[in-house]
Amino acid sequence: EPEVTQTPSHQVTQMGQEVILRCVPISNHLYFYWYRQILGQKVEFLVSFYNNEISEKSEIFDDQFSVERPDGSNFTLKIRSTKLEDSAMYFCASNGKGLRDTQYFGPGTRLTVL
Amino acid sequence: AQKVTQAQTEISVVEKEDVTLDCVYETRDTTYYLFWYKQPPSGELVFLIRRNSFDEQNEISGRYSWNFQKSTSSFNFTITASQVVDSAVYFCALSEAGGLSGTYKYIFGTGTRLKVLA
Repeated sequence: EPEVTQTPSHQVTQMGQEVILRCVPISNHLYFYWYRQILGQKVEFLVSFYNNEISEKSEIFDDQFSVERPDGSNFTLKIRSTKLEDSAMYFCASNGKGLRDTQYFGPGTRLTVL
Repeated sequence: AQKVTQAQTEISVVEKEDVTLDCVYETRDTTYYLFWYKQPPSGELVFLIRRNSFDEQNEISGRYSWNFQKSTSSFNFTITASQVVDSAVYFCALSEAGGLSGTYKYIFGTGTRLKVLA
């Protein structure tokens, strides 16, 4: 069964450093998402992406964040200058045909900012 | 704005007991989708069920069942004969349209932590 993959599973970085979280969505999917979950809290929407541009972003997704689909398979989330409060689990998701298709979530990347 | 409320922060039951997790939602959309996800200690989100707003039939899958009531804006989840492996955080979610191209982000509740004791 196809699945969304994410790398790395755990990333530790120093405050102020740039990080790139990588996702490989399911191959025939067209819509891509990033969500964030601070430890012990709910999952929050960050951004959606379609046709090589951002479709919607939340208030959390400020100028420090960017997304890119650099090739036909990867979908990345970059945090330019990490802050302590960026420590969280980041989930990538994708869905395909049909706008109401269920989103398939990756296993997550745990980001720890020291 | 759309919202999902899971009022139960944590529930503890003894193995083999039945347990119901509550979910109440708010939306102005006439067409929407509701979901339940399980998050075990390993952290991934495991999809359990999707229900659209036009289908109020209850659903049963093994020990799991879901009760969707539009009149009360609730989508409750019952585990029958709970097992220790059911211990996890359970999230209810609502899909909301909003993107320029019609992307549908999910709005999650705060989750209910279920502890099943042996």
